[in-house]
Order: sequence, then C-alpha cells, then structure tokens
Amino acid sequence: DVKVTQSSRYLVKRTGEKVFLECVQDMDHENMFWYRQDPGLGLRLIYFSYDVKMKEKGDIPEGYSVSREKKERFSLILESASTNQTSMYLCASTPSVQNQPQHFGDGTRLSIL
Amino acid sequence: AQSVTQPDIHITVSEGASLELRCNYSYGATPYLFWYVQSPGQGLQLLLKYFSGDTLVQGIKGFEAEFKRSQSSFNLRKPSVHWSDAAEYFCAVREDYKLSFGAGTTVTVRA
Repeated sequence: DVKVTQSSRYLVKRTGEKVFLECVQDMDHENMFWYRQDPGLGLRLIYFSYDVKMKEKGDIPEGYSVSREKKERFSLILESASTNQTSMYLCASTPSVQNQPQHFGDGTRLSIL
Repeated sequence: AQSVTQPDIHITVSEGASLELRCNYSYGATPYLFWYVQSPGQGLQLLLKYFSGDTLVQGIKGFEAEFKRSQSSFNLRKPSVHWSDAAEYFCAVREDYKLSFGAGTTVTVRA
C-alpha cells in the first residue's frame, strides 16, 4: 500500500528559527509536493519536485525553500519562521502517469510563536 | 489555468439522510477529477477519481460522483450518511501532475 510519512505531526517553533519539515514516500514516485492548508483557503501549493534535485515554485513559495537529494525524500525549509507560517503542512506524491491521484501524508501542524 | 469551485462551505445532514456535495471546475481539456476526504487532524484520503468512460464513478465508503461535461460539474453523493462521514471534503482537478483544489466543504452529521 502507498505510504507517505511526515516526520512530525505537531511542531512548535519560535519566530526567526530555521525549520525543517521532512517527507518520505515509499512508492518510487517521481513527483512530490508540499502544500499548506488554512481554513477557508483549501490547499495551496508551496513547491513541488518532479525529479531528484529538481524543484519548481507553486502558488505561494515566498518564505520557503525545498530540497530533494533523494527520490524518496522531499524537505520543506522555512528559512526564518514567522507567525504567519503557522499552518497545517501536507506532503504528497504521485507518479508521472497522468491518471494517478496524489497520495498524502497525515500532515504536520506547525505553530510559530 | 484550471480552477475548482465548491459552492458550499458547510453542510449539515441528518444521519441516514442523503448527501450531495457540489463541485464545478474550469478546465479546457478533458479533466482528471478527484474527490478527497479529510477527517479531523488527518491527511487527505482519496474517495474516487474520474478520467474517462462511464460518467458515474464509484468510490470507497459508499460514495459516488457524476461527471457532467455540459455543466462542468463533478458532484459527490452518498445515499445514506453515517456519523463517521463527518469530515471535510475536497474536489480537485489535475493538470500535468499538479492538482488544483477547491476550498473544501465541511460536513456535519447530526444524530
């Protein structure tokens, strides 16, 4: 069965800290995604990666960066955390075949104090 | 660019009653459409998907959805709701390998 694992379910950090959110998938999928989810706004795409060391900006990349050194792992980095980055973060993966859905992790609820 | 609209922010339904969640999309080509469900504190779980062929698709947990090209709609239905169906539901359309999501519909089930 498909498995996308996010390293933390809950995380509390302070303003200005550098924050790493980790995501691992075990399906050998080419594509991986980071979203943030806020009430009333649905899911918004931050960054995605279609191959190792490849990345593209999504709809709201400001304040974030990503790293994909290995196919199974996709990291989201908050360079200097701010309170407006308090949110639920969801990682997903999908193969390059068009008719396949994205598979999601359980999410990380991040609070920036 | 594609977009997805879920007109209903919140729906309350009695247990055992039927449920219909609306979804409208804007996309030029044949869309790949999905419905996901999110229980509180969880990630998104795929309910069903549409790519081509039969316009009525069956999913998990007793859900079905009907694709209507003329109305650009992909509404989700369930004939008899259970208390465990209380959750947030998201419609999504895929272009290349990216998904665009609607804002979601929260379903409350009353006893």
